[in-house]
Amino acid sequence: ETGVTQTPRHLVMGMTNKKSLKCEQHLGHNAMYWYKQSAKKPLELMFVYSLEERVENNSVPSRFSPECPNSSHLFLHLHTLQPEDSALYLCASSQDQIRNTIYFGEGSWLTVV
Amino acid sequence: DQQVKQNSPSLSVQEGRISILNCDYTNSMFDYFLWYKKYPAEGPTFLISISSIKDKNEDGRFTVFLNKSAKHLSLHIVPSQPGDSAVYFCAASGGGNFNKFYFGSGTKLNVKP
Repeated sequence: ETGVTQTPRHLVMGMTNKKSLKCEQHLGHNAMYWYKQSAKKPLELMFVYSLEERVENNSVPSRFSPECPNSSHLFLHLHTLQPEDSALYLCASSQDQIRNTIYFGEGSWLTVV
Repeated sequence: DQQVKQNSPSLSVQEGRISILNCDYTNSMFDYFLWYKKYPAEGPTFLISISSIKDKNEDGRFTVFLNKSAKHLSLHIVPSQPGDSAVYFCAASGGGNFNKFYFGSGTKLNVKP
């Protein structure tokens, strides 16, 4: 059982919908991340939060909006997505934000139709 | 431009033999490296790490070797088991002030019984 849980595991949404992905970590970590994995591409870092403060926005389009209300929870709000945004979205956490192993959740499969 | 490369998309090994997975990086500032295993429809699972102050780290059947001068690391699995069949990712980080890891595109390992 992973210490990082993501919901929903699968999501199909239309291009005009608004939806959110949720992540919760039970590891007592201080940093949380969103990664994207598209078909046949390496994992791409999207956002990093450390102690609820965003420390990195890796040139992600504004149709992806992260929210970190506390150190255990992370959301990714989705709005007006494109079909090419269909991918596996992975949440992760680490103890701190420097040179720490990151632990992943099981991912949310997103399909935009 | 990909800073971490896994040039072998797939590897097939007989059960009981050694599996060697390779990873190359281009950024000399990288000083912390991770290996992950990923099964289909699951998030990556952390396997083993190594920092640049070491050239080898061992954990059970898994050993990671780091050659800083060649900017190369490898993961050895001995003996290989059918349950090791998965996609393996290497990741590298360093030179920055937060956990920004760059991932390779993965190597799919098939261990034949």
